[in-house]
Amino acid sequence: DAKTTQPPSMDCAEGRAANLPCNHSTISGNEYVYWYRQIHSQGPQYIIHGLKNNETNEMASLIITEDRKSSTLILPHATLRDTAVYYCIVSRGGSQGNLIFGKGTKLSVKP
Amino acid sequence: DAGITQSPRYKITETGRQVTLMCHQTWSHSYMFWYRQDLGHGLRLIYYSAAADITDKGEVPDGYVVSRSKTENFPLTLESATRSQTSVYFCASTGSNEQFFGPGTRLTVL
Repeated sequence: DAKTTQPPSMDCAEGRAANLPCNHSTISGNEYVYWYRQIHSQGPQYIIHGLKNNETNEMASLIITEDRKSSTLILPHATLRDTAVYYCIVSRGGSQGNLIFGKGTKLSVKP
Repeated sequence: DAGITQSPRYKITETGRQVTLMCHQTWSHSYMFWYRQDLGHGLRLIYYSAAADITDKGEVPDGYVVSRSKTENFPLTLESATRSQTSVYFCASTGSNEQFFGPGTRLTVL
């Protein structure tokens, strides 16, 4: 599985959009980009995933560059409860691909 | 309750003792996973299972044993616990794309 690079930490003002970048320059054609987050010491929580196209769900949007070498997770209106460590992971997918967690990005949402 | 549960949530044991961490999921997911997370680090895969009676090693399997006699259960055993196995252990399962994680077991080996 390909590796990812994320900034170690980011700050965001409450109510503003949080844009979390991720580089995955060695991603293979059959690998998805997954985003999970971990709030404090809880188990990681799935956010969103995508292959080529941009994706949106009730939690976030995922923007993947055309060459698929990088992506951005967007939390449109960050709240204090979004403070967490965000992990960008590339994997062949669900039951076929193990998740390799890096150190992620610690997002701090501030009032 | 539906979902994925782990027990115990907290465990303190001594070096050399055998410890078993339990994981139970109610979705009948085929795949289940065990991860460990050490302070300040991401999760590392210990073992995973594709179905009942099918298990395979992950990144850090040494010192651990797993079994999967039933689809819904995936216990993790430390046959002779060591201090280096002090960690938070997360179990997960998946039926398609996303993995669902349990609340974790915080294990301390003295």
